[in-house]
Amino acid sequence: KNEVEQSPQNLTAQEGEFITINCSYSVGISALHWLQQHPGGGIVSLFMLSSGKKKHGRLIATINIQEKHSSLHITASHPRDSAVYICAASNTGNQFYFGTGTSLTVIP
Amino acid sequence: DVKVTQSSRYLVKRTGEKVFLECVQDMDHENMFWYRQDPGLGLRLIYFSYDVKMKEKGDIPEGYSVSREKKERFSLILESASTNQTSMYLCASRSRLGSSYNEQFFGPGTRLTVL
Repeated sequence: KNEVEQSPQNLTAQEGEFITINCSYSVGISALHWLQQHPGGGIVSLFMLSSGKKKHGRLIATINIQEKHSSLHITASHPRDSAVYICAASNTGNQFYFGTGTSLTVIP
Repeated sequence: DVKVTQSSRYLVKRTGEKVFLECVQDMDHENMFWYRQDPGLGLRLIYFSYDVKMKEKGDIPEGYSVSREKKERFSLILESASTNQTSMYLCASRSRLGSSYNEQFFGPGTRLTVL
């Protein structure tokens, strides 16, 4: 069973396009995380949110607690945004539930 | 600048060898984690530790053990490496303070190949 589901699995976009990655979860959470993983492996945290919306530069993350759904949006996409984006849900313990990731390629 | 480091980026070992993967964090975090990442499966928790000498099994502990003798260091041990342990291994740490909402900090990963 997958507690966290992401879509799409793969995404190719032209530079400048608006991109949306979706995440649905089935467990009770205390926070929802969006992570970015570039080729080579390292993972960095983009957002951690428990309600509403957060924005950082061209990236926006939203969460709807009632619907157990979150989205990551990238405005004016750029080739350097090419990476794997991972959604993860955490609870009050040390449990993290990870999605399988969305591989994004932005073509110049 | 917070940092989690792992001893190797790439490692090639032979079946049956004992393998040590080291992880060090400089943030004085209580919690440390070992994950493996495989295509299509995402990150899966192998073990985590919430304090020195304390450990708990994750989702896939079989074939692995861990050691945490010092707060900053968490080691993953493959007692007898097998080809199905070829994977990307990621270490992470997390503070216990206000723990519900704290993010994990990840190391750069070790890509292990077992021949």
